Amino acid sequence: GNSVTQMEGPVTLSEEAFLTINCTYTATGYPSLFWYVQYPGEGLQLLLKATKADDKGSNKGFEATYRKETTSFHLEKGSVQVSDSAVYFCALSFGNNNDMRFGAGTRLTVKP
Amino acid sequence: NAGVMQNPRHLVRRRGQEARLRCSPMKGHSHVYWYRQLPEEGLKFMVYLQKENIIDESGMPKERFSAEFPKEGPSILRIQQVVRGDSAAYFCASSLRVGQGNNEQFFGPGTRLTVL
Repeated sequence: GNSVTQMEGPVTLSEEAFLTINCTYTATGYPSLFWYVQYPGEGLQLLLKATKADDKGSNKGFEATYRKETTSFHLEKGSVQVSDSAVYFCALSFGNNNDMRFGAGTRLTVKP
Repeated sequence: NAGVMQNPRHLVRRRGQEARLRCSPMKGHSHVYWYRQLPEEGLKFMVYLQKENIIDESGMPKERFSAEFPKEGPSILRIQQVVRGDSAAYFCASSLRVGQGNNEQFFGPGTRLTVL
């Protein structure tokens, strides 16, 4: 079935460090891929997305490239800030029903 | 344009009681999704509804759980005879339409259910 596997956390970084959170997917066909962010006590917010192979999604300094050959959508940021501390979810959406499959989430803590 | 609204934000129930969770989608959205998030875990899809129809309920437990999205009013997730294992955050999302490039889901703030 369709599923997403993402890097286990928690991840702890110092401010201005480079961030990578790995995400790979299994799907029949070509899903749309997403990264969502969840701040403490809140719902999920869409961070970025890509709808086809080689697309790059970007927002707030975060980037992810849809790689069909490696079935991956790794999240990267060149210089993290304390305010980036949150849980990050990789997800795919596939098929006409539009339901999403989420990874387990990766908790990121950025220390000053 | 208000976002997805969920109420209550926090709900406490004793074992055996019923829990009713409400979700009002964004204006103009006719697709609603319910997810459950257990502590320290990711979101698990439960059910996908369009107005008056359940499209996919493959993620919803067969017993005690039901969902509806009537023609008028919010979508309701109903849990009967709650047990401690039902304690979780329940998130609702809505989308405008299905299809590539138009399938972004907007999430509500969630309802945190605690079963005593």
